[in-house]
Amino acid sequence: DVQLLDSGGGLVQPGGSLRLSCAVSGITFRNYAMSWVRQAPGKGLEWVSGISGSGDNTYYADSVKGRFIISRDNSRNTVYLQMNSLRAEDTAVYYCAKAYGGFGVLGRDYGVDVWGQGTTVTVSS
Amino acid sequence: DIQMTQSPSSLSASLGDRVTITCRASQSIAHYLSWYQQRPGKAPKLLIYSASTLESGVPSRFSASGSGTDFTLTISSLQPEDFATFYCQQTYSPLQTFGQGTNLEIK
Repeated sequence: DVQLLDSGGGLVQPGGSLRLSCAVSGITFRNYAMSWVRQAPGKGLEWVSGISGSGDNTYYADSVKGRFIISRDNSRNTVYLQMNSLRAEDTAVYYCAKAYGGFGVLGRDYGVDVWGQGTTVTVSS
Repeated sequence: DIQMTQSPSSLSASLGDRVTITCRASQSIAHYLSWYQQRPGKAPKLLIYSASTLESGVPSRFSASGSGTDFTLTISSLQPEDFATFYCQQTYSPLQTFGQGTNLEIK
């Protein structure tokens, strides 16, 4: 079975940094694009960032561009989200998400078929 | 960026009812539209991909259609486990956006 294990969430002060990790098992990891999706308390889903299977292409929502960095280590089957200059509005459950289909690209794809369990980030003083 | 607008934002219905949720994209996304169901405290679950293809294991009472900018999700006969929040997502662009969600409640 495919499994995604999110970790790294916690309480951080405004302006601080945090790095999320998502360990993936059960697939040929390099064949799949990955994304991070977040959900603020009581709110809807927000796509945050995505990365191609090779790691050569990265994408960001306007709300996090310039502050967050997505990366992956295909030797460790892990995707990361480095979050800098955190704001109160970044408070959310962050889900790691696997793209459906082993095309290795984002865009013209078929959505997310496997999700992590979510890791909670709270930005507060 | 492509904006996704879902309607209604909330919906009350009874067991056995047929309900339809709509999703509109701000530009053509061809058939690159997915639908998800999310229950409280859980990760979303993929129901439909490529606008109308039912994900494996999803009950056949769920169906969907559309292309270009206008899409619909229909549940033919509501069951107790269907009451949840539903989201559409465009995957045409690498910057993938969700609709704001439709909260389906029991009447």
